[in-house]
Amino acid sequence: KNEVEQSPQNLTAQEGEFITINCSYSVGISALHWLQQHPGGGIVSLFMLSSGKKKHGRLIATINIQEKHSSLHITASHPRDSAVYICAVCLNYGGSQGNLIFGKGTKLSVKP
Amino acid sequence: NAGVTQTPKFQVLKTGQSMTLQCAQDMNHEYMSWYRQDPGMGLRLIHYSVGAGITDQGEVPNGYNVSRSTTEDFPLRLLSAAPSQTSVYFCASRRTSGGASNEQFFGPGTRLTVL
Repeated sequence: KNEVEQSPQNLTAQEGEFITINCSYSVGISALHWLQQHPGGGIVSLFMLSSGKKKHGRLIATINIQEKHSSLHITASHPRDSAVYICAVCLNYGGSQGNLIFGKGTKLSVKP
Repeated sequence: NAGVTQTPKFQVLKTGQSMTLQCAQDMNHEYMSWYRQDPGMGLRLIHYSVGAGITDQGEVPNGYNVSRSTTEDFPLRLLSAAPSQTSVYFCASRRTSGGASNEQFFGPGTRLTVL
């Protein structure tokens, strides 16, 4: 079983739709990251969460530590949001403390 | 700041050849790491370093060596390339002060093909 699971794997939406990507994890963490990878390959950090909720523009990220679950929401989606969204957790135990474990990513395609 | 830089962007090797992937950051970050990204899999940690002179193995270290002689540079060496090392490689860095929960900065990646 993967320690970080994302769903869905692929997502196609129409412009303007509300989008939710989910991430569940099974390990102890100090923080959770949401990353964006565009077709060109570069990876950028969107959010880093250890509790609660964060909002940047049309993007909202939430985390429930007790349920070991996080969601990334995109409101009023746009074709430029098309990318792979990656969930990564920062381990909080032992010799691996501070290292990241990544989900496999969710490929989002937003159609005009 | 240039952030995290990687060279080369693309590389083709023959089986058995050696090469070094370069990574540098100008943000004075203590923690640096190398990941590989393969289709259908999440990024996986190869090696990491928490400061100059200190390195450790990640999840998939076999076939790779690293060193950290300066804070800025963290090269990844393939001693004898194998087709299984065909992948996209990312270098990343972050601060360690203030706890482990700091933003990660990624390099642009190196696409390596081993024939």
